[in-house]
Amino acid sequence: SQQGEEDPQALSIQEGENATMNCSYKTSINNLQWYRQNSGRGLVHLILIRSNEREKHSGRLRVTLDTSKKSSSLLITASRAADTASYFCATKNSGNTPLVFGKGTRLSVIA
Amino acid sequence: DTAVSQTPKYLVTQMGNDKSIKCEQNLGHDTMYWYKQDSKKFLKIMFSYNNKELIINETVPNRFSPKSPDKAHLNLHINSLELGDSAVYFCASSQDRVYYGYTFGSGTRLTVV
Repeated sequence: SQQGEEDPQALSIQEGENATMNCSYKTSINNLQWYRQNSGRGLVHLILIRSNEREKHSGRLRVTLDTSKKSSSLLITASRAADTASYFCATKNSGNTPLVFGKGTRLSVIA
Repeated sequence: DTAVSQTPKYLVTQMGNDKSIKCEQNLGHDTMYWYKQDSKKFLKIMFSYNNKELIINETVPNRFSPKSPDKAHLNLHINSLELGDSAVYFCASSQDRVYYGYTFGSGTRLTVV
C-alpha cells in the first residue's frame, strides 16, 4: 500500500533557484529516504533520515523530518539543469517490511 | 563496474509467452528486491529475498515467480504474460533491511503486445 505522498506533483523552476518538495506519510516509521530518478533510469538513493533525526544535509540537499506531522521536505539549493528528474520519498517501518514509495515529484530546472 | 545489473533492458513479447528477467549485484548485499513501476511512475514492491530466502511476497499473481540461486542473484520469471504486465521492473539490493538505502538497477522495460 502507498505510504508517502509527495507534493507538488510537478515543479518547474529556473536554474539557480531553490526547489522544495514535500512528503507526507500515514504510519510510524523507522526512517525516511529520498531518491532521484532520471528519465529512463533507475532510482538513485540521495539521503536517509532516521525517525529520531530532525534535519540532515548532503551537499546541496537538505532534508527535514517532522514525525509529529508525519511529513518530510527535501530542499535542493542553487538548482542546476542536471537536477531535472523525478524525486521520490520512501518510508521504512520495521525490519521485514519493504521500502514504500510515494508517487514522486517531477522537477524541471530550466536553464 | 555496475553494482546492480539487470538484463535485458528492453523486452517486447506477445501475450501468453513466458519470459525471465535476470538481476545480479556485486555489492555483497544480503537483501534483494523486485519492484514494478507502472506508467504513472508508481513503484510497488513485489518480492524481497534475504540470503536466498523469500521474506516478502506482496499480492502478486502466481504467474510471477522469483528465484534466487545465490545471494548475488535474484531472477524474475513470468508465465503467461498479459497486457497488464507491461511496466518497468526494477531490481534493487540493500546492505541492511532497515538502516541503509537501496541500490537500484537501471530497469527492464517490459512491453506485452
